[in-house]
Amino acid sequence: AQSVTQLGSHVSVSEGALVLLRCNYSSSVPPYLFWYVQYPNQGLQLLLKYTSAATLVKGINGFEAEFKKSETSFHLTKPSAHMSDAAEYFCAVSEGNSGYSTLTFGKGTMLLVSP
Amino acid sequence: KAGVTQTPRYLIKTRGQQVTLSCSPISGHRSVSWYQQTPGQGLQFLFEYFSETQRNKGNFPGRFSGRQFSNSRSEMNVSTLELGDSALYLCASSNRDPNEKLFFGSGTQLSVL
Repeated sequence: AQSVTQLGSHVSVSEGALVLLRCNYSSSVPPYLFWYVQYPNQGLQLLLKYTSAATLVKGINGFEAEFKKSETSFHLTKPSAHMSDAAEYFCAVSEGNSGYSTLTFGKGTMLLVSP
Repeated sequence: KAGVTQTPRYLIKTRGQQVTLSCSPISGHRSVSWYQQTPGQGLQFLFEYFSETQRNKGNFPGRFSGRQFSNSRSEMNVSTLELGDSALYLCASSNRDPNEKLFFGSGTQLSVL
């Protein structure tokens, strides 16, 4: 069975600082991995996804994530935080053979950005 | 191109009642998935419909059911509501292509009193 662990339910950074949100996964088959962002009272928006091409994936809004198979990790980073990045971030995994639309999500990490 | 539309946006029900939520996918998308989001359990997969057939199902009791129509619109139904069913219910649509992405609606916030 697949699972996702996000370390830290809340992460606080200052504007302009590095953002690092951690995600570890377990999967019995090569996974598809995703990062989603959720703003208050809204649905989920895809930031980026890994589908076994390049291990360093670039997404929207300056975010990127690196797939490390040996560490079973897919951490999300952004070099310089902006106030508008404050939101909840979810890491998710999908095993291709169970359906691309079937995602297992982590518990989420709330990113707080202070001026 | 219109996004994923979920109606209603908010619902208040009492225990024991039943409720039906609606989801209209992006035009051309034939797959609709449903997720439940709660503060305690996070986001959990309910089920997926593709071409009017349920393709995948999560670990939820039989009180949770769904269906999909020929125009790809989907409904989910929860019968005999319990307090713990209070949640944000999110619908997502796709064309099931791994090179494409899943589009989420804004959700229906269900409160069970």
